[in-house]
Amino acid sequence: GENVEQHPSTLSVQEGDSAVIKCTYSDSASNYFPWYKQELGKGPQLIIDIRSNVGEKKDQRIAVTLNKTAKHFSLHITETQPEDSAVYFCAACPDYKLSFGAGTTVTVRA
Amino acid sequence: GAGVSQTPSNKVTEKGKYVELRCDPISGHTALYWYRQSLGQGPEFLIYFQGTGAADDSGLPNDRFFAVRPEGSVSTLKIQRTERGDSAVYLCASSLNQGLAGGEQFFGPGTRLTVL
Repeated sequence: GENVEQHPSTLSVQEGDSAVIKCTYSDSASNYFPWYKQELGKGPQLIIDIRSNVGEKKDQRIAVTLNKTAKHFSLHITETQPEDSAVYFCAACPDYKLSFGAGTTVTVRA
Repeated sequence: GAGVSQTPSNKVTEKGKYVELRCDPISGHTALYWYRQSLGQGPEFLIYFQGTGAADDSGLPNDRFFAVRPEGSVSTLKIQRTERGDSAVYLCASSLNQGLAGGEQFFGPGTRLTVL
C-alpha cells in the first residue's frame, strides 16, 4: 500500500515568514495529493490539492508543488499569520483511499 | 449548506461494551469513508461506501468493527467488545463523485471515543 512520510513534524515561524512542509510517497499509482489543515478538536479541512498532471498550483498565500519523478510534494505558505497555526497533513491517493502523513504542527509566532 | 456531521462528539465507554458512531454525509454525496485518527497521527482508512454497499473494508482492524449504510446516506460504525486500544477519534468523510481518484473528501468533526 501507499506510504507517506511528512517533514518536519513541528515548525515554528515568525509571523510574515514562509513555511514549507515536505512529503514523499511510495506508490507511483498515486495521482491525487490533497493537503488538510486540522485545528484542535476539529476535523481535517481541505485547503488545497494537486493532481498528477500538474506540477504546481497556487491559491492566494498557499502553493503546492509536485515532482512525480522523485515522488515528492510540498506545501508552501507565504506571509504566515497567527491563524495559520494548526496541524497540516499531506495525503496521497491512488484510487479513493487517502493515505496521510503523520502531520506537521505549525506555530506562527506573533 | 451543511457539512458532514457526526454524533456523538464524544463517547466514553467501558472495556467490553458495544458502541455505535453515526455519520451524516453532505446531501447528495454518494461516497462515504470512515477513518480513525490516533493521537499525534494522521487519519487511517477504515472503510469506503459507494451508495449502500461497502466497496472496500480492508482498513477495518478486525471483526469487532462493522459499518453499515442501509439507505445510501447515513452511516453507522459499530464496534463490539471495545478494547482500550480502540480509543481514538473516528472521522467520517464524504465525496460527491463516484469514489474515483481525485474526489475531494470533506471531513466531519469526528467522534472522540475513549474506552476505559
